Amino acid sequence: QKEVEQDPGPLSVPEGAIVSLNCTYSNSAFQYFMWYRQYSRKGPELLMYTYSSGNKEDGRFTAQVDKSSKYISLFIRDSQPSDSATYLCAGGGNAGNMLTFGGGTRLMVKP
Amino acid sequence: NAGVTQTPKFQVLKTGQSMTLQCAQDMNHEYMSWYRQDPGMGLRLIHYSVGAGITDQGEVPNGYNVSRSTTEDFPLRLLSAAPSQTSVYFCASSSYLGGLADTQYFGPGTRLTVL
Repeated sequence: QKEVEQDPGPLSVPEGAIVSLNCTYSNSAFQYFMWYRQYSRKGPELLMYTYSSGNKEDGRFTAQVDKSSKYISLFIRDSQPSDSATYLCAGGGNAGNMLTFGGGTRLMVKP
Repeated sequence: NAGVTQTPKFQVLKTGQSMTLQCAQDMNHEYMSWYRQDPGMGLRLIHYSVGAGITDQGEVPNGYNVSRSTTEDFPLRLLSAAPSQTSVYFCASSSYLGGLADTQYFGPGTRLTVL
């Protein structure tokens, strides 16, 4: 079993929809959690970074971490076709910058 | 700032050949790492370095070597290429702040095919 699991999708939604992307993880030592966005044939870019449990909002994006259930979520409001990409979640402990990534969820937002 | 640069963008090797993937960053980051990305597998850490002269293994280090002689450069060497090493390779760098994570910046990737 992988330490970080994601549904690979693809997830197809109409423009303007609220998108919910989810990950589960198994490593209790994870303290910080990240969401990366990766466009086709590009390197990942950091979207959101949260430390421990709770919510973090940045514009149309909200990241949630529930450490009790080992569940990570990313919500995208008013989704746009430009949000079409693969979204990778990742977790890490305090032992440095080693991150463990999920397999990614491919999102398609249709005009 | 150019950020994280990787060369080459594409490479085709024959089984048994060796090569070096180059990675450089101009942000004075202490931490650098190499990942490979395969379909459905996400990013898997190959090797990482927390500073010049210091390297360590990640999740999938076999068949790869690294060295870190300068802060800026972190080359990845394939010793004897195998078809299982066909993948997209990403280099990343970040600040290393007393063991806490900071934003990792990724390069554009190198697409490697081993025949």
